[in-house]
Amino acid sequence: GENVGLHLPTLSVQEGDNSIINCAYSNSASDYFIWYKQESGKGPQFIIDIRSNMDKRQGQRVTVLLNKTVKHLSLQIAATQPGDSAVYFCAENSPDKLIFGTGTRLQVFP
Amino acid sequence: ETGVTQSPTHLIKTRGQQVTLRCSSQSGHNTVSWYQQALGQGPQFIFQYYREEENGRGNFPPRFSGLQFPNYSSELNVNALELDDSALYLCASSFRDRPDRGNTIYFGEGSWLTVV
Repeated sequence: GENVGLHLPTLSVQEGDNSIINCAYSNSASDYFIWYKQESGKGPQFIIDIRSNMDKRQGQRVTVLLNKTVKHLSLQIAATQPGDSAVYFCAENSPDKLIFGTGTRLQVFP
Repeated sequence: ETGVTQSPTHLIKTRGQQVTLRCSSQSGHNTVSWYQQALGQGPQFIFQYYREEENGRGNFPPRFSGLQFPNYSSELNVNALELDDSALYLCASSFRDRPDRGNTIYFGEGSWLTVV
């Protein structure tokens, strides 16, 4: 069945380092993916998206990579800051619903 | 700030009662979806409304129902509340120019429901 999952439940990084959060998906027909950041007690916040006709997309301090061959997504955060601490979800967007993984908690320490 | 607003932010209900949650979508968005997020888990799709009609439903029983109004705002209704319905209920909006194309989806801050 459809599944979007994450390899690491918790990632701890030092402030200033780069972070990489990974995600696997199983539906090879999926053509649109979104990364969300969710802080405690808040709703998911859109970070960046990518369509299947691309393999890389960059935003401000963030980059999403898509490898369709192995059905893998990653989110790279450059110069990680304390404010980046949150749970990160990748989501697969079929036209009428998002399928979320269980999330990765990013902890940033000084 | 996503422009998606939800109310109420927190509420407590008794098992067996009914609840209505409300959502105002971002200006210009014609599609609203509802998600349930249990503690420590990712959001689970409940259903979506596109141009006032249900356009997809997740694995939730019929006691979960919804509406979308002409101004694209939406309600989620849950009847016969059960303890397991305790969760964060998220509304998300987007603009779709055609039924088969997904686009950026923005979430509200959610409504925390506790069933006792």
